[in-house]
Amino acid sequence: SQQGEEDPQALSIQEGENATMNCSYKTSINNLQWYRQNSGRGLVHLILIRSNEREKHSGRLRVTLDTSKKSSSLLITASRAADTASYFCATDASGNTDKLIFGTGTRLQVFP
Amino acid sequence: NAGVTQTPKFQVLKTGQSMTLQCAQDMNHNSMYWYRQDPGMGLRLIYYSASEGTTDKGEVPNGYNVSRLNKREFSLRLESAAPSQTSVYFCASSEQGPKRPQHFGDGTRLSIL
Repeated sequence: SQQGEEDPQALSIQEGENATMNCSYKTSINNLQWYRQNSGRGLVHLILIRSNEREKHSGRLRVTLDTSKKSSSLLITASRAADTASYFCATDASGNTDKLIFGTGTRLQVFP
Repeated sequence: NAGVTQTPKFQVLKTGQSMTLQCAQDMNHNSMYWYRQDPGMGLRLIYYSASEGTTDKGEVPNGYNVSRLNKREFSLRLESAAPSQTSVYFCASSEQGPKRPQHFGDGTRLSIL
C-alpha cells in the first residue's frame, strides 16, 4: 500500500506563479525525498529532508516537513514551462532505509 | 555517462509468453530495484537487491522473478505474462545505506494482450 499520498492530484498554473504540492504519510520516517518525472522518462531525485529537519532549500525548491502531522510540502517558486512534470514524495520503508515507498504523485502543468 | 540503462524500451507480449527485462547501471551502486508504475498508483516495488547475490521481495512480487547477475546487472523475468502485468517497469539503483537517492532508468513499457 502507498505510504504517501500527494495533494492535489493535478495542478495547472501560469509561468511565474508558485506551485505547492503536499504529501501525507502514515508511519514514522527517517527521511523523505521528492522526485520529478517528466513524461516518458524515469524519476529524478530533487531533494531529501531528514526527519530532524523542518525546512530545506535547493534553488527554486523549498521543502518543509512536519513530522507531528506526518506531512511534507514542496514549493516551486517562479515556475517555468520546463517544470511541467509529475512530482512524487517517497519515504523510507520501516526497518529498511534503502527501500522507498512512493506516493501517487501530483501532475503539474505550467502554461507559458 | 549512461547511469541506469533498461532494455527493451517497448514490448508487446501475448498472454502466457515469457520475457526478461534487462537493467544495467554503471555507477558502482550496491542496491538495485525493480518497480512497476500504473496510472494513479505511483511506483510499487517488485523486488530489491542489496548486493550481488541477494534479492528480496517488495510489495508486488507475485508473477515475477529476478536475478542479480553481478554488481552492474539486475534482470526481471515474467515467466507467464498476464494482462494484469501490463505496466511501465522501472529499474533503479542507489548507494547502500540510509538517505541515498535512487537513480532511475527511463523504463520499459510492456503491454500484454
